[in-house]
Amino acid sequence: GAVVSQHPSRVICKSGTSVKIECRSLDFQATTMFWYRQFPKQSLMLMATSNEGSKATYEQGVEKDKFLINHASLTLSTLTVTSAHPEDSSFYICSAGKQREGETQYFGPGTRLLVL
Amino acid sequence: GEDVEQSLFLSVREGDSSVINCTYTDSSSTYLYWYKQEPGAGLQLLTYIFSNMDMKQDQRLTVLLNKKDKHLSLRIADTQTGDSAIYFCAEGFTGNQFYFGTGTSLTVIP
Repeated sequence: GAVVSQHPSRVICKSGTSVKIECRSLDFQATTMFWYRQFPKQSLMLMATSNEGSKATYEQGVEKDKFLINHASLTLSTLTVTSAHPEDSSFYICSAGKQREGETQYFGPGTRLLVL
Repeated sequence: GEDVEQSLFLSVREGDSSVINCTYTDSSSTYLYWYKQEPGAGLQLLTYIFSNMDMKQDQRLTVLLNKKDKHLSLRIADTQTGDSAIYFCAEGFTGNQFYFGTGTSLTVIP
């Protein structure tokens, strides 16, 4: 199998605080991980592509200083929402690409962030 | 950018077949995927098809790909209430770049 976990599954924080979300590939190594954001009843929006050991590539319109991504190892990527505001409230989903399986991505269960 | 479109809603009776459709504009993708998302959960990979294939069957799931018309469909045979979810098609390109469809909410009526 290919299991991807995220932690925490949900978080509530005050406006102005920073929140870190972890994404782990549990049984495989992922050289590339992806971070998506999903608004209610909408599709997934790719935020950034994260490669192990290098800087993340952000999609147009995504603030890299706001959404800090670190991909320190082949099994862990983190997304930090800095100085969170209510408009950052969303469902954040990560995915990991598995080596030797073409272009398939395996998704984590998502993290629901609510900023008060 | 790439446009991947799906109809928003589909309702079927339990036991019937469901067909979820997806159209796209960029035909240079390498793989096309179907994902299932249950409420409050992440995405579960259901199946995928290589872009040079036109059909793939996996138990109750049948994927049809018409490259000429840029049309992808997912047929679920003997649809069950547990199949109620949102289904996303996605195109995969070189470099693992994905573009997702808008999602189809499937409701199975007992």
